[in-house]
Amino acid sequence: DAGVTQSPTHLIKTRGQQVTLRCSPKSGHDTVSWYQQALGQGPQFIFQYYEEEERQRGNFPDRFSGHQFPNYSSELNVNALLLGDSALYLCASSPGLAGETQYFGPGTRLLVL
Amino acid sequence: AQSVTQPDIHITVSEGASLELRCNYSYGATPYLFWYVQSPGQGLQLLLKYFSGDTLVQGIKGFEAEFKRSQSSFNLRKPSVHWSDAAEYFCAVGVGYNTDKLIFGTGTRLQVFP
Repeated sequence: DAGVTQSPTHLIKTRGQQVTLRCSPKSGHDTVSWYQQALGQGPQFIFQYYEEEERQRGNFPDRFSGHQFPNYSSELNVNALLLGDSALYLCASSPGLAGETQYFGPGTRLLVL
Repeated sequence: AQSVTQPDIHITVSEGASLELRCNYSYGATPYLFWYVQSPGQGLQLLLKYFSGDTLVQGIKGFEAEFKRSQSSFNLRKPSVHWSDAAEYFCAVGVGYNTDKLIFGTGTRLQVFP
C-alpha cells in the first residue's frame, strides 16, 4: 500500500515564476493538507482540501492556491514566486475529518533564485 | 493563540543514554498532541499521538510521551537511545474541531554519539 507521494522531489524556479506541486494521498484517505517548512523551522499549515473544497486556510497570501481532484489527489500552486518561498513543501493526508492522524509525504524542495 | 514551544534547539546524547525532549503547548481546549520525527531529506513520520485517555502514550521505536495538563506539556522520552535515532523531532498540536490543522514547534535536533 503506497503512502503519500509527491512530485517533483526537487524544483528550481526564478522570482516571478509560477509553480505547481502535486500530491497523491494514501489509499483510503480523502483529505489533503499542505504545509510549508522553511529551513530550520517547523512546518506551517497552508490549507486543507476535502471533497474538492478548501476547508481551512493558514496565514498565507492568495498567491498560494490549490485544487483537489475527484480521485482525492491535490495540487498546490504558487504564483509570482518570491525568494522567501524557498522551502520544503509537505503534503499530508488523512481519512476524513474525524480527528484522524495526518500522514506526510516526503516533500518537494523548492528553490527560488 | 495556539502555539507549541520546544525549548531545546539541539540535544546531544551518547548511545545508550536516556532521552527527554521537551514540548509545551498553548491551546484553550483539550489538545490533540503529536510527536513526529524527520530524518534528513525525508518527510515526517508519526512517533505517537495523544487524543484522550491514558496520559502516558507509547509509540514506535521505543518512544513514549506523557501528557501533563497542569504543565501544558507533552514531553517525549526514550530509555536508551540508538544511533539511528539521530534526527529532527517535532511536537505538534492539532487545532480545530477535527484536528484539521497541525501547529508545529520549531523542532529539536538530536545528535547521538557512539
